[in-house]
Amino acid sequence: DIQMTQSPPVLSASVGDRVTLSCKASQNINKNLDWYQQKHGEAPKLLIYYTNNLQTGIPSRFSGSGSGTDYTLTISSLQPEDVATYYCYQYNSGYTFGAGTKLELK
Amino acid sequence: EVQLMETGGGLVQPGKSLKLTCATSGFTFSTAWMNWVRQSPEKGLEWIARIKPKSTNYATEYAESVKGRFTISRDDSKSSIYLQMNSLKEEDTATYYCTMEVLGFDYWGQGVMVTVSS
Repeated sequence: DIQMTQSPPVLSASVGDRVTLSCKASQNINKNLDWYQQKHGEAPKLLIYYTNNLQTGIPSRFSGSGSGTDYTLTISSLQPEDVATYYCYQYNSGYTFGAGTKLELK
Repeated sequence: EVQLMETGGGLVQPGKSLKLTCATSGFTFSTAWMNWVRQSPEKGLEWIARIKPKSTNYATEYAESVKGRFTISRDDSKSSIYLQMNSLKEEDTATYYCTMEVLGFDYWGQGVMVTVSS
């Protein structure tokens, strides 16, 4: 099974900061990776699909990048409404979510 | 507007069965790829089952953790999917989400809680 390791587990940042969340796969996943945002008490929401494609309706401050085993979600200018837990998800071999990065406001 | 609503959750004893329903509206259900994803504090988010449209003979896939115990099915006439859960274990305790898959898991229900405990 492919393991997905997200870092850091918790990230504190200020409004306006550029924020980078990391997701590392235990083997090459060929860019078959999505990012989800989950706010407290809500279902997850698809942000990015296939590494770097922004889902319709998602603000352009969100972007994704990566290849091989290393992937990144970037928020260019953090907004208060971005407080949430972010999950990566691979579907290259089996289907695995990472454990999440909880993003807090400093 | 796409809507998915899960029902059927509750408290059940280990070894017993429970059936979840996901009723949908707002899209062409008959061609949709549908999934169940669950979430627990212990295991986090976990994909557990997928059912594809009639064009694939309703092909199904399961996570190893539920294979042989859970069955996903669909009724296109009711725009609904189901999850029959047998031989439930305490580790099946989770919030169960129904999702519709297009580019990723594009649409989610609000989730339904299943607690397996004696």
